[in-house]
Amino acid sequence: ETGVTQTPRHLVMGMTNKKSLKCEQHLGHNAMYWYKQSAKKPLELMFVYSLEERVENNSVPSRFSPECPNSSHLFLHLHTLQPEDSALYLCASSQDLVRLAGTMNEQFFGPGTRLTVL
Amino acid sequence: KQEVTQIPAALSVPEGENLVLNCSFTDSAIYNLQWFRQDPGKGLTSLLLIQSSQREQTSGRLNASLDKSSGRSTLYIAASQPGDSATYLCAANTDKLIFGTGTRLQVFP
Repeated sequence: ETGVTQTPRHLVMGMTNKKSLKCEQHLGHNAMYWYKQSAKKPLELMFVYSLEERVENNSVPSRFSPECPNSSHLFLHLHTLQPEDSALYLCASSQDLVRLAGTMNEQFFGPGTRLTVL
Repeated sequence: KQEVTQIPAALSVPEGENLVLNCSFTDSAIYNLQWFRQDPGKGLTSLLLIQSSQREQTSGRLNASLDKSSGRSTLYIAASQPGDSATYLCAANTDKLIFGTGTRLQVFP
């Protein structure tokens, strides 16, 4: 596997379910990100991790819980979601945070998980 | 607060045309600006990154320019092909990527 991978690619869940999204990067990067893409809205940054430490939580509801056990893996744990949480969830990675890595810092994205909440 | 705008929102052209996609941002204090391509229901593919000190970057038929002082970037696609059909997103990096809503491009044979 190369680049950034995400599993599952599609997920349908009820509002009372608990599920997890997984992201893995094979690029040796230090920073990882979760984004949400809803229809007709710009991508929204949800969480940022640098060396397994959360550095940003962009006012995301507590029903979304991120976990970064090491610099290659990032999870998004989901519980008691709402139908409006249905979206494409994208993971990305970069060498580091741009303020540390400099202006060449480029983000690379995974294929996303299409989440539908019934 | 950084805001990114892309125009046009949608574009439909015959193949072979040279295209210009526009991106504007409100805060010129950016580290860099990235252009991405997104196919329907898929993730983002990075096309070009322009550092804040650069004026342009080129990759194949793609050329991106950056004018920080006016808060503008342009993606130029030469000799468009049906395979270029996708949504093109720009993102300004002010410690985090702020995305525009994209330009949906359709190139027909």
